[in-house]
Amino acid sequence: KQEVTQIPAALSVPEGENLVLNCSFTDSAIYNLQWFRQDPGKGLTSLLLIQSSQREQTSGRLNASLDKSSGRSTLYIAASQPGDSATYLCAVKGGTGNQFYFGTGTSLTVIP
Amino acid sequence: EAQVTQNPRYLITVTGKKLTVTCSQNMNHEYMSWYRQDPGLGLRQIYYSMNVEVTDKGDVPEGYKVSRKEKRNFPLILESPSPNQTSLYFCATADRVLYEQYFGPGTRLTVT
Repeated sequence: KQEVTQIPAALSVPEGENLVLNCSFTDSAIYNLQWFRQDPGKGLTSLLLIQSSQREQTSGRLNASLDKSSGRSTLYIAASQPGDSATYLCAVKGGTGNQFYFGTGTSLTVIP
Repeated sequence: EAQVTQNPRYLITVTGKKLTVTCSQNMNHEYMSWYRQDPGLGLRQIYYSMNVEVTDKGDVPEGYKVSRKEKRNFPLILESPSPNQTSLYFCATADRVLYEQYFGPGTRLTVT
């Protein structure tokens, strides 16, 4: 069974800093990996989707990379802002099955 | 506007009283899914559906039922809720090419 891990569980940084969030998975045979943002008590907002054949995706200040062979993905946030404070989740879809597996998330606080 | 809707958004009920949480989408997606989110455990998939009349168990299906009679609707049924089903529930949809997930706003369920 696929296991997805996100470390650290919580991260606090000063405004303006560049930061990296990590996501690791145990089975490299994935179909895709998706990064989400979740604000407290709210739903999930999709940030970036990386297909298994891709190495990275970019959207504005966000850049996500994927290294299937090592079972890792990173989400890079440039020039962090207080509005970036949220929990960031990654999810993978298995390459053969039809299930999705989520990490437990990294809670990010950007201090003004 | 493309959206996934869930109803109700909040529900407090008592042990053993049957309930249904509805999920509806207007994106013509074939794949629909239910998750529960619990502190420290992240999101776990309960059931998913690849198409009308096709449903499969996720990682935590015990105590839940689903049906997919129409493409746009995927209700979650708790026939005899118990306190350990107190949780935040999310419905999600995806197309079957990219499998990019879109989430509903969530239903917070409390079973006393």
